[in-house]
Amino acid sequence: GENVEQHPSTLSVQEGDSAVIKCTYSDSASNYFPWYKQELGKGPQLIIDIRSNVGEKKDQRIAVTLNKTAKHFSLHITETQPEDSAVYFCAASFSGNTPLVFGKGTRLSVIA
Amino acid sequence: SQTIHQWPATLVQPVGSPLSLECTVEGTSNPNLYWYRQAAGRGLQLLFYSVGIGQISSEVPQNLSASRPQDRQFILSSKKLLLSDSGFYLCAWKLVGTDTQYFGPGTRLTVL
Repeated sequence: GENVEQHPSTLSVQEGDSAVIKCTYSDSASNYFPWYKQELGKGPQLIIDIRSNVGEKKDQRIAVTLNKTAKHFSLHITETQPEDSAVYFCAASFSGNTPLVFGKGTRLSVIA
Repeated sequence: SQTIHQWPATLVQPVGSPLSLECTVEGTSNPNLYWYRQAAGRGLQLLFYSVGIGQISSEVPQNLSASRPQDRQFILSSKKLLLSDSGFYLCAWKLVGTDTQYFGPGTRLTVL
């Protein structure tokens, strides 16, 4: 089955700097790759996703890149703000009814 | 628009007591439904998922069970709670055949 590895497990950045979180997946059939943000005591919220027919997607300060050949994808957050502090999860799945497989999460701290 | 509800929000139960957590989705029909558990500071563990009424797939053998008595209702149960059952329980849903998965607000369970 699919296996998703996520790095780093913790990340601290200064406010205004960029943050990058990387994930690798094992199943070359996977074609959907979402990223979730989880604030303390809340359920994860989808912040951006990418499908295998696209190499990069951007939404304001957040971008995701996908390298299908190398089977890895990354989340990029630019101009970080204190409210970006949270746990971020990557996931992968083959479209349809197959459940998402999640990475173990990255705790991002943005230091003001 | 669709919304997902979970209750209770928090629960403190003694070891050996029964458990019933409920999740309902509004504004859609025949969703895929999921139960996840998140131990303190840990990742998302898929427990059960359902693609239709009465159809339950178990991902992890344990003393928990799930049922889907109605199209948009998903229940997580246990006959006798263990200390190790403590955690943050998350329900999630997505439309059949689509990719985007949405999480509920979660239930914080403490077993003493």
